[in-house]
Amino acid sequence: DQQVKQNSPSLSVQEGRISILNCDYTNSMFDYFLWYKKYPAEGPTFLISISSIKDKNEDGRFTVFLNKSAKHLSLHIVPSQPGDSAVYFCAAKKTNTGNQFYFGTGTSLTVIP
Amino acid sequence: NAGVTQTPKFRVLKTGQSMTLLCAQDMNHEYMYWYRQDPGMGLRLIHYSVGEGTTAKGEVPDGYNVSRLKKQNFLLGLESAAPSQTSVYFCASSYWSQSNTEAFFGQGTRLTVV
Repeated sequence: DQQVKQNSPSLSVQEGRISILNCDYTNSMFDYFLWYKKYPAEGPTFLISISSIKDKNEDGRFTVFLNKSAKHLSLHIVPSQPGDSAVYFCAAKKTNTGNQFYFGTGTSLTVIP
Repeated sequence: NAGVTQTPKFRVLKTGQSMTLLCAQDMNHEYMYWYRQDPGMGLRLIHYSVGEGTTAKGEVPDGYNVSRLKKQNFLLGLESAAPSQTSVYFCASSYWSQSNTEAFFGQGTRLTVV
């Protein structure tokens, strides 16, 4: 059963606007959450992360929000740029039990110039 | 600065053939992972290793075997390939740490079983 879910397979946004990508998880034992970005024919690359003790983490244009009570996290990209067009994967892990990373199904973001 | 390197990048197998995918990392990471990526399924963990000489099953281990004889290498084997194993395979590695760390990925191996 999928423990990390991304219910939107695709998202299109105009350049300069905000992109919001969503992710839900079911396992309350997850204590660390990550977003990866993937271009075609390349491996996923780490983008931003957040610990379960925080509810927000910012890195430049990228902000991740965590709502533990709702088991929900989101990635905000402001402003969106055409180079942000890629597939975004949400991931989660339980730090002290095997360090396994569980991934969502991905959201394909297209930023329209 | 190689990071995580996968060999080969592409391969076509006939049903029933065997092959080994090699993953090498030069970051001295303790943990290594093999994932497969399929349309609509995301990245699913096949097997992982928490250190040299150890391996463990992930979410979808059936039909695969792995070995971690050296800390820097993690091998994924298919003993008798099936069309259902057509996929893109990614290797990843990470530190062991009480603090939070990310996994670093290779560039992927596209495998087609006909």
